Amino acid sequence: GAVVSQHPSRVICKSGTSVKIECRSLDFQATTMFWYRQFPKQSLMLMATSNEGSKATYEQGVEKDKFLINHASLTLSTLTVTSAHPEDSSFYICSARDQRTGGIDEQFFGPGTRLTVL
Amino acid sequence: AQSVTQLGSHVSVSEGALVLLRCNYSSSVPPYLFWYVQYPNQGLQLLLKYTTGATLVKGINGFEAEFKKSETSFHLTKPSAHMSDAAEYFCAVSDYRGSTLGRLYFGRGTQLTVWP
Repeated sequence: GAVVSQHPSRVICKSGTSVKIECRSLDFQATTMFWYRQFPKQSLMLMATSNEGSKATYEQGVEKDKFLINHASLTLSTLTVTSAHPEDSSFYICSARDQRTGGIDEQFFGPGTRLTVL
Repeated sequence: AQSVTQLGSHVSVSEGALVLLRCNYSSSVPPYLFWYVQYPNQGLQLLLKYTTGATLVKGINGFEAEFKKSETSFHLTKPSAHMSDAAEYFCAVSDYRGSTLGRLYFGRGTQLTVWP
């Protein structure tokens, strides 16, 4: 089946530093990847939609200059949290859309990255 | 616009008992509906999905869900709960155009606890 990986799984950083999270589709090409943020005991909040070779589309209220998204290849998207602050601490999950099969396609989710900003 | 309401943020059942997790949706187009399971500190795993055709959908781990258009519901059930079913469950509806899956709209989730 389709597998999506994220790296790192956990990261702790100091306030003011930047953190990069990678999302990779391991056995399929993903023209579209999605980045979600999940607070404890809450649902997933879509942050942005990332299309290969073009600029990401951010959801309302998400700062594009703070959450930089790059989708440089069909198997890799990165999320960079710039000048991180404690309120950015969260669980970040990516998903990748697999459009290989006919009919309705499907999103496959990565295992998530736990970011803690001290 | 699409939205999902999951009734009950917490559901507790005894091992072997019926599991029923409720999901109602709102959609301006015929919905594509999904149930995902999330174990602690992990991503989401697809349990099952409804696109078209048969309204009773069977998924992994013995779960099934029935799409009821008249009730705008997609409740998740399992006849007999197992300890390993304890997890967070999310219902989602898709924003799609034709056969292209767009963004997913998630419910707030239901935490399932299974007592021995």
